[in-house]
Amino acid sequence: SQQGEEDPQALSIQEGENATMNCSYKTSINNLQWYRQNSGRGLVHLILIRSNEREKHSGRLRVTLDTSKKSSSLLITASRAADTASYFCATYAGGTSYGKLTFGQGTILTVHP
Amino acid sequence: GAGVSQSPRYKVAKRGQDVALRCDPISGHVSLFWYQQALGQGPEFLTYFQNEAQLDKSGLPSDRFFAERPEGSVSTLKIQRTQQEDSAVYLCASSLRRTGDYNQPQHFGDGTRLSIL
Repeated sequence: SQQGEEDPQALSIQEGENATMNCSYKTSINNLQWYRQNSGRGLVHLILIRSNEREKHSGRLRVTLDTSKKSSSLLITASRAADTASYFCATYAGGTSYGKLTFGQGTILTVHP
Repeated sequence: GAGVSQSPRYKVAKRGQDVALRCDPISGHVSLFWYQQALGQGPEFLTYFQNEAQLDKSGLPSDRFFAERPEGSVSTLKIQRTQQEDSAVYLCASSLRRTGDYNQPQHFGDGTRLSIL
């Protein structure tokens, strides 16, 4: 079953604007990861944030994690048409989970040129 | 080097037929995962291999689903007596696990889109 929910389900913006996607999860985690999926393709890893981290940056991406609220957000700054894709958060619970990821339902991002 | 390769990309089968889906992970990757992705949903875990050992098969939906990785590299997911609800995209992912460290990204193939008629 899905770990949690992503919000919004769909987001439509103009090129150059910022895009923010939120993810909530239900159980305690070891890390949280964000992936991008272009239509008809596999998932591409974007960024990983560990449970003891609060914020992480990678290029135009900024991820925050609030373990007390069991939530994370992904900010894409200065968006481009090429950022159009589905974005998924995924959690790793640790312990004997063997790296198994539990995904949210995703946010569909459309960036208009 | 090459990424994760899955074949076939598309598979159409009649209900009741058996199908086999192949995954070629990145060379040297120890961990291999299978996920099932229904239309409009996020992937759901099916099974996990560490080398040739299947350490977690808790996500396999029924005993019609079987996976193997006999030599610790290529993996095959087999579905017997397929049913319409098996229609989905099946994704394979691999990662290079260092002992005790699962804080690593997973590298996904483009998936096999399975349609059961």
